[in-house]
Amino acid sequence: AQSVAQPEDQVNVAEGNPLTVKCTYSVSGNPYLFWYVQYPNRGLQVLLKYITGDNLVKGSYGFEAEFNKSQTSFHLKKPSALVSDSALYFCAVRVVRDDKIIFGKGTRLHILP
Amino acid sequence: SAVISQKPSRDICQRGTSLTIQCQVDSQVTMMFWYRQQPGQSLTLIATANQGSEATYESGFVIDKFPISRPNLTFSTLTVSNMSPEDSSIYLCSARTSGSIHNEQFFGPGTRLTVL
Repeated sequence: AQSVAQPEDQVNVAEGNPLTVKCTYSVSGNPYLFWYVQYPNRGLQVLLKYITGDNLVKGSYGFEAEFNKSQTSFHLKKPSALVSDSALYFCAVRVVRDDKIIFGKGTRLHILP
Repeated sequence: SAVISQKPSRDICQRGTSLTIQCQVDSQVTMMFWYRQQPGQSLTLIATANQGSEATYESGFVIDKFPISRPNLTFSTLTVSNMSPEDSSIYLCSARTSGSIHNEQFFGPGTRLTVL
């Protein structure tokens, strides 16, 4: 069965420190991977996506993620966290055959000033 | 990109009643979806809203409980029928244009439903 795992419910990081939000996936076939961010009272926005090509993907607001096929991971990273990065982050995988997106449970990122 | 609006943004309803949520996209899209996001949980796909035909429901969701309409390429409705407190959730409309693997899937702001 297709699945996405985000092992951490919440991640706390001091402002200015690097942050990592973890994601692993299990799909059959080639995955298309996404990170979405959800700010309070707003819809989900795509932060970055991996379709094909370079395993290191750069996205909005200084975020990046690395696709690691052997470890089936797609961890989200940022070198220096901002308080404004505090939000709910979802890792997601699109299974091309099914044309659907499967979401992880979400990780709440809390940046401490 | 596509901008998606939903109405209502939130509602408080009584047990046994029904609520219809509207979703409007500012451009024509091939695919529209309805998701549920229960408190503290992830997004779960309810169904794919098909234009001109019956929606395709995921396992655990049925048409009698969640009837969906999609009369054209920019609009869809989801009805939550005979509501119970367990239906309290955020309901999200989503849209994507098929034809390219690079096409993004966009989401509306959600409808926060509380059932008493």
